[in-house]
Amino acid sequence: DTAVSQTPKYLVTQMGNDKSIKCEQNLGHDTMYWYKQDSKKFLKIMFSYNNKELIINETVPNRFSPKSPDKAHLNLHINSLELGDSAVYFCASSQGLAGEQYFGPGTRLTVT
Amino acid sequence: GEDVEQSLFLSVREGDSSVINCTYTDSSSTYLYWYKQEPGAGLQLLTYIFSNMDMKQDQRLTVLLNKKDKHLSLRIADTQTGDSAIYFCAEIGVNRDDKIIFGKGTRLHILP
Repeated sequence: DTAVSQTPKYLVTQMGNDKSIKCEQNLGHDTMYWYKQDSKKFLKIMFSYNNKELIINETVPNRFSPKSPDKAHLNLHINSLELGDSAVYFCASSQGLAGEQYFGPGTRLTVT
Repeated sequence: GEDVEQSLFLSVREGDSSVINCTYTDSSSTYLYWYKQEPGAGLQLLTYIFSNMDMKQDQRLTVLLNKKDKHLSLRIADTQTGDSAIYFCAEIGVNRDDKIIFGKGTRLHILP
């Protein structure tokens, strides 16, 4: 069984659209994260959620919003997509903020 | 087998050098990274090396790359209590659609 899964793996969409990327973990973890692999190929954290509370919100545009319907899911919603949003987005989970993180396979978002 | 492998635990005395090792399988790797997991702050980029380099030094950190053996190491000189963390090895390769692939992380424990 996949520990952390993301859907879709690839997403191609047009500027101005609203889209969501789903993340699910079956590890029973209480903390989940979203990262962006930027154009320079580095990973930067966007959000983390612990017990349904937002812990970290880096300098991310408010067009991005994480939504956690339950402890096993943290979905990433993006409104009014822009070309610069094209990137690979990774979901991760951990038990507590100090537990080792387990990563999903990544979702490649392409905005045209 | 795993694409990126690292040992899960390392204990080092304060003041000694720490060496964290990593092996990878993707011969098309272009970037290789070391990330440090800070509780509450997610993964933070510690250092990285291009695959055409053998070594990179940055203050107390030395990265060694043996491309023939697909072996990457991170040496932390004069290890301090603040170095206690989980360290993730990661790589990116054109064969993997340029997605970052992570190891499972090495937990570094500092002994007094």
